Amino acid sequence: EDQVTQSPEALRLQEGESSSLNCSYTVSGLRGLFWYRQDPGKGPEFLFTLYSAGEEKEKERLKATLTKKESFLHITAPKPEDSATYLCAVHGGTSYGKLTFGQGTILTVHP
Amino acid sequence: EAQVTQNPRYLITVTGKKLTVTCSQNMNHEYMSWYRQDPGLGLRQIYYSMNVEVTDKGDVPEGYKVSRKEKRNFPLILESPSPNQTSLYFCASSFSNTEAFFGQGTRLTVV
Repeated sequence: EDQVTQSPEALRLQEGESSSLNCSYTVSGLRGLFWYRQDPGKGPEFLFTLYSAGEEKEKERLKATLTKKESFLHITAPKPEDSATYLCAVHGGTSYGKLTFGQGTILTVHP
Repeated sequence: EAQVTQNPRYLITVTGKKLTVTCSQNMNHEYMSWYRQDPGLGLRQIYYSMNVEVTDKGDVPEGYKVSRKEKRNFPLILESPSPNQTSLYFCASSFSNTEAFFGQGTRLTVV
């Protein structure tokens, strides 16, 4: 059974204070790891896809990295508008339809 | 505009009264899924579909039914809703191993 664990559960930062979110996973054959952002009351919004260990993706203040056991979402010099819940999910096993999510990290950035 | 549309956005119903939540996508995606999101439990997959007439169970399928008669539509059916199905529901669609696009969510309350 695929498992995804995210830490910390909640993170409070001051504007400009860089940090990282962790996503540890256990899957039988990783087909893809996804990062999403979710604002309150809205559907998750896609950020990145990573397919193999060593891969990195960047978008504005966000950078996602992947190893064989975990992924990190690095946030550089965050702004209050980066406040949201960040979700990690994996495609594993034999079906592209099966997607397993972690519980998310609630990020709050104070001005 | 590429989108996943769910209806209704909000629904309050009584125990045992059958209901259907509709989901439609305009991106010609093969894969469609239903999730429920509960505080402390994150997003959990209910059912997914790989194509027309092909569906499979996710992690929490009990009490739900789905059908995929057309590629663009994937309704979620609750034959006899119970209070423990009170939740925020999301529909999503994707190509095989690419990012999923999510709908805006349906907040269901069963009293």
